[in-house]
Amino acid sequence: ILNVEQSPQSLHVQEGDSTNFTCSFPSSNFYALHWYRWETAKSPEALFVMTLNGDEKKKGRISATLNTKEGYSYLYIKGSQPEDSATYLCASANSNSGYALNFGKGTSLLVTP
Amino acid sequence: ETGVTQTPRHLVMGMTNKKSLKCEQHLGHNAMYWYKQSAKKPLELMFVYSLEERVENNSVPSRFSPECPNSSHLFLHLHTLQPEDSALYLCASSQERTAPQHFGDGTRLSIL
Repeated sequence: ILNVEQSPQSLHVQEGDSTNFTCSFPSSNFYALHWYRWETAKSPEALFVMTLNGDEKKKGRISATLNTKEGYSYLYIKGSQPEDSATYLCASANSNSGYALNFGKGTSLLVTP
Repeated sequence: ETGVTQTPRHLVMGMTNKKSLKCEQHLGHNAMYWYKQSAKKPLELMFVYSLEERVENNSVPSRFSPECPNSSHLFLHLHTLQPEDSALYLCASSQERTAPQHFGDGTRLSIL
């Protein structure tokens, strides 16, 4: 994998459902994996930065896992709420990329009451 | 309030105009970034400054010219832009390389 790929592209769930999406990234020379939430008409907001294989981070109802050997990260949202509606971006950095982050296109989540 | 302020929020300009985008961060961060967000494309890094030195320049056309006069301010000078340059331009800052980036609200640029 040369680029960061996110799936699904979009997702529509009902309030209360739990959901998850995937980020695939180049595993060679891995350095860090970022997750951001981007609500419409607002700026992207950092959720997690993960660096260690097997790392798991949690923020309220949102959690993320990281597998650096196979090059994927999962983002989970437990009991989705309408305010979780946003585009979720992941971005990877490798040890050769300096400050550059390689972003995926994002997963657009819509949570309806 | 993210601590990163961008002005203007919207800009419409002709291809022969010269304009500048401004970004200011109030977070004491050492690195500042310019990104371009075009429709259906991922965020594209344009430039990175660390401690006022340019450390990344991702093959951006010379009609985009960045300036970082101090660690709190970042400018993007625009001249002779093309219609395909119409996009959302985001500024971000971070404390260091692996730290989360804090984004501004962006400037929506339209080239006529």
